[in-house]
Amino acid sequence: KAGVTQTPRYLIKTRGQQVTLSCSPISGHRSVSWYQQTPGQGLQFLFEYFSETQRNKGNFPGRFSGRQFSNSRSEMNVSTLELGDSALYLCASKEGQLDEKLFFGSGTQLSVL
Amino acid sequence: GQQLNQSPQSMFIQEGEDVSMNCTSSSIFNTWLWYKQDPGEGPVLLIALYKAGELTSNGRLTAQFGITRKDSFLNISASIPSDVGIYFCAGLRGNDMRFGAGTRLTVKP
Repeated sequence: KAGVTQTPRYLIKTRGQQVTLSCSPISGHRSVSWYQQTPGQGLQFLFEYFSETQRNKGNFPGRFSGRQFSNSRSEMNVSTLELGDSALYLCASKEGQLDEKLFFGSGTQLSVL
Repeated sequence: GQQLNQSPQSMFIQEGEDVSMNCTSSSIFNTWLWYKQDPGEGPVLLIALYKAGELTSNGRLTAQFGITRKDSFLNISASIPSDVGIYFCAGLRGNDMRFGAGTRLTVKP
């Protein structure tokens, strides 16, 4: 089975722009979660989607949003980018909502200039 | 946010040495997981623990689920250069997963 695929791998944007990141989960996995990783803050949970519905949300401003499609693929959008949004954004999938094992993609490295 | 205290933050060891790291929490977790992250990549699952007191090995890696269910330990024996990376613990309770801040391991040949 192919792993979790995230695109693009690298992205450079300027302040005020918006960005959309994409994630394709492992085939058969219906739960997709998004995390922001920065050197100082570690892994911070953004949100989780299951069956096209947001099931859980972390403590991030409304500029961060996401969605999940019927094929379980997910997108994450950040609007009005700020310098502090520069980070590695990781997508992770698992088979069911209560499954323990989370499988991560390689991430999208976002730089905001 | 993070509720797991992972230590040490970083380790510099010589190839061949054994390594120990741990994760503690003020809350009980039902599952403990250990991940390794290589530079520029996402974390990869190493070991999953499901029961208090459980001891599980994966090659040179051994992890334990603490008896109190509030902690977990990871040991790496006879370290090699490719063990370099960041090791994360994760605790799961229901649908709530928390991560430690990571232990950055450097192995000198």
